[in-house]
Amino acid sequence: QQQVKQSPQSLIVQKGGISIINCAYENTAFDYFPWYQQFPGKGPALLIAIRPDVSEKKEGRFTISFNKSAKQFSLHIMDSQPGDSATYFCAAVGGTSYGKLTFGQGTILTVHP
Amino acid sequence: SAVISQKPSRDICQRGTSLTIQCQVDSQVTMMFWYRQQPGQSLTLIATANQGSEATYESGFVIDKFPISRPNLTFSTLTVSNMSPEDSSIYLCSVGGSANYGYTFGSGTRLTVV
Repeated sequence: QQQVKQSPQSLIVQKGGISIINCAYENTAFDYFPWYQQFPGKGPALLIAIRPDVSEKKEGRFTISFNKSAKQFSLHIMDSQPGDSATYFCAAVGGTSYGKLTFGQGTILTVHP
Repeated sequence: SAVISQKPSRDICQRGTSLTIQCQVDSQVTMMFWYRQQPGQSLTLIATANQGSEATYESGFVIDKFPISRPNLTFSTLTVSNMSPEDSSIYLCSVGGSANYGYTFGSGTRLTVV
């Protein structure tokens, strides 16, 4: 019930391409869905987040698409750059898990120049 | 968002010893959280550090192994006790839970137990 499932586990994209990472959840009480970017040796940094009352949110090259009925959300990175190479985590929070982030398994993104 | 200072950034410890990790926030926050990230894995919540009361632990984590202090609204410590190699992980503190749900993480403590 509390799980967030993330795919793919790893992703290789050419520079300028689109990176797409998908997540699915079960707990309908979740009401906040952030994405984090983590570089080696660093803590996760908040990238972008969405609430279930909107279907899409865009910040620069990063877009979250949210499908409430399917209980799925995804991160799209447009014009992917080598500097985007990192591990990406989706997460969810809300309901009885207030304050506690439940993380997906992570996606290692590699952008080739 | 809050700025979190976490130390030490890394340490190598002998099995059977204990390490205390400190987390300092630049503003008062209600909720502080401690996470563990095992090598190549995702983040798992250890406990919620509550100011003025005992920490709330998640399933699989116990106070005797991971005692937590929260003496004020800007500081918390996590101790990893009686360490074994299986405790080798990155330990991260986080703050958040405000109306804006601005969850921020420290840079983590990379612990290696030998």
